[in-house]
Amino acid sequence: LAKTTQPISMDSYEGQEVNITCSHNNIATNDYITWYQQFPSQGPRFIIQGYKTKVTNEVASLFIPADRKSSTLSLPRVSLSDTAVYYCLGVDTGFQKLVFGTGTRLLVSP
Amino acid sequence: EPEVTQTPSHQVTQMGQEVILRCVPISNHLYFYWYRQILGQKVEFLVSFYNNEISEKSEIFDDQFSVERPDGSNFTLKIRSTKLEDSAMYFCASSEAQQPYTFGSGTRLTVV
Repeated sequence: LAKTTQPISMDSYEGQEVNITCSHNNIATNDYITWYQQFPSQGPRFIIQGYKTKVTNEVASLFIPADRKSSTLSLPRVSLSDTAVYYCLGVDTGFQKLVFGTGTRLLVSP
Repeated sequence: EPEVTQTPSHQVTQMGQEVILRCVPISNHLYFYWYRQILGQKVEFLVSFYNNEISEKSEIFDDQFSVERPDGSNFTLKIRSTKLEDSAMYFCASSEAQQPYTFGSGTRLTVV
């Protein structure tokens, strides 16, 4: 399982784009980069997953450069309801468990 | 959107008592998990379950913990003799393949 490093916290304002960068220098060939979101007193929620280049869904975009040593989760035009903890995980799809770090606590203000 | 349902949402128990936390995973999912989160701390893996047996467990998941899928729809976590330090949010999750997981909203366990 890849060790990931991400900022402890970030602040933003409503309507801004937020980019959360995650470092994973020792990512293995079989690892995917997966992001989960957790609101207070709720379980984590899957946001997006990618292997290389760019992936986009209705919630976010994920950019992974060719060397795959880092990735960036991009949240377009955040709202107050995007205030949450965001977890970056390196996941080998052959493994059966997710290992969560401390995540990035995003605070969106009016 | 299909959900993982956990009951109860909050349970208070006395130290030394047994508790059973219940989960109904998504119906076509094959992999089941329990995680816990002590207040202010990380989400920690407890156990994974596939094909009616434990596939992996963490050091936290000692002999006082057990899991069961009694009837093909429920997935339960039993703590035999609760300790104060078992107070936490317990999250059940399920997945169709090995990723991604769908987590439930959790059971807040308070041991007094």
